[in-house]
Amino acid sequence: AQKVTQAQTEISVVEKEDVTLDCVYETRDTTYYLFWYKQPPSGELVFLIRRNSFDEQNEISGRYSWNFQKSTSSFNFTITASQVVDSAVYFCALSEAWEEYGNKLVFGAGTILRVKS
Amino acid sequence: DTEVTQTPKHLVMGMTNKKSLKCEQHMGHRAMYWYKQKAKKPPELMFVYSYEKLSINESVPSRFSPECPNSSLLNLHLHALQPEDSALYLCASSQDARIYEQYFGPGTRLTVT
Repeated sequence: AQKVTQAQTEISVVEKEDVTLDCVYETRDTTYYLFWYKQPPSGELVFLIRRNSFDEQNEISGRYSWNFQKSTSSFNFTITASQVVDSAVYFCALSEAWEEYGNKLVFGAGTILRVKS
Repeated sequence: DTEVTQTPKHLVMGMTNKKSLKCEQHMGHRAMYWYKQKAKKPPELMFVYSYEKLSINESVPSRFSPECPNSSLLNLHLHALQPEDSALYLCASSQDARIYEQYFGPGTRLTVT
């Protein structure tokens, strides 16, 4: 069975600090996709990134960066110079094959990030 | 435009009521999803529609009845719910039901009294 573990339940930082959110996954599939979503207090899940299992290049988007390492089955997310608006719950997710009907997302438990001014 | 809309934003209903949640997307996506999210938990998949056909039902009780009238609309009909069904109900869509990222709506916060 596929599984996503986000061991950090809650992280508190002061504005402008860098913060890394950890994500470890388990899968038997050779082809899979990993995702990060942000859920602010308003409730809507916001898509941040998708990474496929064949592409281990790190990605940077503004203050966000992602480190994908197949050797350790990890897909960590770093926010540089955090801001109060980054306060949210962050979910890591893994796509799971569902026979011939397509894939479904397996979510981690989420990490609550609190950024204080 | 990556927008998924959901109505209503909030809903309070009694256990004998019948109500419906609505979801709409105009991104040309061919897969749509219903999720249930309890407080401080990740979303749990309920249903997947692929090309307007129900492709995944995660053993959801029959008091929840999904409907996909066309490729842009997704409804969730509610009947005889229980207080434990109170949750945030999220709709999402993706290009198709395979590996494409899912875009979520703002959700309907449901309270069953």
